[in-house]
Formats: sequence, C-alpha cells, structure tokens
Amino acid sequence: QVHLLQSGSEVKKPGASVKVSCKASGYPFTGYYMEWVRQAPGQGLEYMGRINPYSGDTNFAQKFQGRLSLSTDESTNTAYMRLNSLTSDDTAVYFCARWHHVSRPHYFDYWGQGTLVTVSS
Amino acid sequence: DIQMTQSPSSLSAGIGDRVSFTCQASQDAVIHVNWYQHKPGKAPKLMIYDASNLEEGVPPRFSGSGSGTHFTFTISGLQPEDLATYYCQQYSRLPLSFGGGTKVEMK
Repeated sequence: QVHLLQSGSEVKKPGASVKVSCKASGYPFTGYYMEWVRQAPGQGLEYMGRINPYSGDTNFAQKFQGRLSLSTDESTNTAYMRLNSLTSDDTAVYFCARWHHVSRPHYFDYWGQGTLVTVSS
Repeated sequence: DIQMTQSPSSLSAGIGDRVSFTCQASQDAVIHVNWYQHKPGKAPKLMIYDASNLEEGVPPRFSGSGSGTHFTFTISGLQPEDLATYYCQQYSRLPLSFGGGTKVEMK
C-alpha cells in the first residue's frame, strides 16, 4: 500500500534552513508528482510547491520563490523539501502529499504524517 | 498565482441544518476545483472534485456547484461526523492553491 514517511520534528533558529524528507513506498515513485503543503498553528493549509520526480521539474507558489527548493532521490524513493531564511512565521507542520493525476479525479490522495518545524531563537 | 478566497472562515449550525460556504477565485475560467474535509490528526479527504462531482463513497448530502470564479459547497442535513474544516483547492493553473478553510462547528 502507498505510504509516505516523513522525517522527525526540527527546531531551528531564525535565519537557518530546514530540510524535510519524505520517503515513498508502495507505488512507482517517478510516476506521480510530490507536493508540499504546510499548516501553521491555528491556520489553514498552505500550498508550497511540487516536483516531478521523473523530470526534476518544479513549480512553486510565488510566496516561496527563491527560498524553497525541492529535490528527489530516485534510488531511495525519497523527496526533500528545503526552506531557507527561516522566520517565526515558518513555524508549521509540513506535509508531503502525492498528487493523483493518472485518472479522474485529480487530487491529493496520500499524505505524509507531517513534520513539525519550530523556528525560535 | 490564483488566490482562492473562502468564506465564511467558520460557521455554527445544528444537526440537520443545510450549510453552504463559498470559494471565490481571483482569476476567471477556473474549472478544476476540489473540496476536502479535514479533521485534526487525519489526512484531508476529497469530497467533491471538478466543482460538482461527488467522490466515490461520499454521502449524497454533500454537493458542490459553480464555475468561473465562484464555487459553493453544501451539506444538506448536517451530521455530527461532518464537524471539520473544509478547504477548496484549484488545479486549473499552476501553482495549485487552497482556500483559507471553513470550520464547521455544532451550534
């Protein structure tokens, strides 16, 4: 069965970077986009960006342009999200999610368990 | 980027009530809008896809409508298990985007 396993919680200081991993299993890794979504405390879901593990192509929400990088390692079926220049506003739970697009409907069908990133001095 | 403005951000209703909330897209010709139900500690669940199509297994009291820039999600006969936050999400244009969410609470 499909499973997305994310790395553990992180505590970072303002100005630092964080890298979160998402190990996929149970499906052909390069066949589906991997998306990244975050949820700050008491806030809604916020879309960050996506990567095509087959081509390496990425697409980012404008808010994260220049500060977000996404990558994948096909040898380990793992996707990575790196966010730079952290501020307290980046304190959130970060999710990876698979985008189902092979057939209708197109939607986020599987989610990782979430990684809490806390930014504090 | 397409902004999805969802309203209201929260609402209170009683069991059996009909509740509706909306999502307004910042650009026209948005076709592909999904609606998710999100409960704490669980993954968001697809309820409606492409604005008005009921996802398999979702009770028929849930419905969606709209096109262009204005989309509506309706629960006809609220049940206790429907308490959750609901999000619209567009995929007509990249990057994808979510609405801010509507939290449905029991009166």
